[in-house]
Amino acid sequence: ETGVTQSPTHLIKTRGQQVTLRCSSQSGHNTVSWYQQALGQGPQFIFQYYREEENGRGNFPPRFSGLQFPNYSSELNVNALELDDSALYLCASSFQTGGEENGYTFGSGTRLTVV
Amino acid sequence: EDQVTQSPEALRLQEGESSSLNCSYTVSGLRGLFWYRQDPGKGPEFLFTLYSAGEEKEKERLKATLTKKESFLHITAPKPEDSATYLCAVRTYSSASKIIFGSGTRLSIRP
Repeated sequence: ETGVTQSPTHLIKTRGQQVTLRCSSQSGHNTVSWYQQALGQGPQFIFQYYREEENGRGNFPPRFSGLQFPNYSSELNVNALELDDSALYLCASSFQTGGEENGYTFGSGTRLTVV
Repeated sequence: EDQVTQSPEALRLQEGESSSLNCSYTVSGLRGLFWYRQDPGKGPEFLFTLYSAGEEKEKERLKATLTKKESFLHITAPKPEDSATYLCAVRTYSSASKIIFGSGTRLSIRP
């Protein structure tokens, strides 16, 4: 059983640029959630995808967008990067059925630095 | 507004010195409370899920308990390898798609 894989592991971007982060779900999982974790803080919910549809969104602006693919992998896109977007971006996969969802498996994250 | 508060922010213990970490929550309807362990530069690692007041779960030197307002993570005779940040999180009925995390407790165990 493979875990959650995120790429790249580290990334440096310039303010105003766009970035795409990628996540491969754990085998058998059909739901992907994305979190932003600033240094010294707990993860903050960005959004969740289930069956390729957005299934919930946190307090993040529209320049944060995502996709889920038929194989349940996912992308997080951030446009017009700001310095405050510098953080660890975590992907978590889980299995959801009949409205019930099991616990998350997190990837190791992508460390994004905006300069 | 649903909220999770963890204390203390940081805790330094001697190897073998038992202690407890606190997680207080204010939510509209608790669907589940989670404990995760996070090592530096890594994603959180799942430890426990608790669903109702009075529930307890154990794993090696860790025991998690739940009341109607808070949860405790008890660490018995810790070892240096238990050093990590411990995160508490909740899922509510009103917003079931997301998990709300606290800021964590940074635990350091000295040999």
